[in-house]
Amino acid sequence: GAVVSQHPSRVICKSGTSVKIECRSLDFQATTMFWYRQFPKQSLMLMATSNEGSKATYEQGVEKDKFLINHASLTLSTLTVTSAHPEDSSFYICSALGRLSEAFFGQGTRLTVV
Amino acid sequence: DAKTTQPNSMESNEEEPVHLPCNHSTISGTDYIHWYRQLPSQGPEYVIHGLTSNVNNRMASLAIAEDRKSSTLILHRATLRDAAVYYCIPTGNQFYFGTGTSLTVIP
Repeated sequence: GAVVSQHPSRVICKSGTSVKIECRSLDFQATTMFWYRQFPKQSLMLMATSNEGSKATYEQGVEKDKFLINHASLTLSTLTVTSAHPEDSSFYICSALGRLSEAFFGQGTRLTVV
Repeated sequence: DAKTTQPNSMESNEEEPVHLPCNHSTISGTDYIHWYRQLPSQGPEYVIHGLTSNVNNRMASLAIAEDRKSSTLILHRATLRDAAVYYCIPTGNQFYFGTGTSLTVIP
C-alpha cells in the first residue's frame, strides 16, 4: 500500500512553546489529508481536513488558531500546535487520501508537553 | 456521517477464522465501507473497503449485506499479529472513527 511518513515520532516540549509535525505522502500525491488526535484508551478524533492549496476545515470544538494546518504541496501537510500546554499532550496522527479513496495513515507522533 | 455499532471486544483462537461484525444502518447510498485496524501506539492500517459487492484481498474479505446496513470483516486464519482494534467506517471522503472492536487472538 501507499506510504505516509510522519515526523517526528516522538517529541517533548516545554509548556508555552510551539511544535510542528510533518506528514508526507511518499509515493503518491494527496490532495486531501486529515489530522487526528488520540488520547489513551480512546478512539481517533478527527481534528481537521486539509486540501492542498486551501484553508483547512476544522471539526467543531477544535481551535484553528491553536492547531495551525498547512497543506502547501500535494505531498506535505504540517500541523503546528501553538502555545502548547500539558492538556495538548496526545498522540497525533495524519492520513492522506489515496487514489481509490482509501486513507493511508502515518505512524503517529507522541507529543508530551511538560 | 453514518453511525456504527461494533462489539467492544472479541476473541479468536489462532489459525481459526474470525468474523467481525459492524452495523451501519444510517449509511448513505454513496458511502463506501472501509475497515482499518490499529495496533497500540501505531497509526491505523488500511485493511479493505467496498461499496456493494463482497471484496477480497490478501489481508481479509469483506461481506456486505444486501441492504448495506451491515458488513462483516473476515480474517480467514487469525494470527497473533492480527490482534488489534478494528474499525469499520462508512464514508464518502471523511473518516470518522467509532470505538471499534478489540480483537484478542489466543495462541
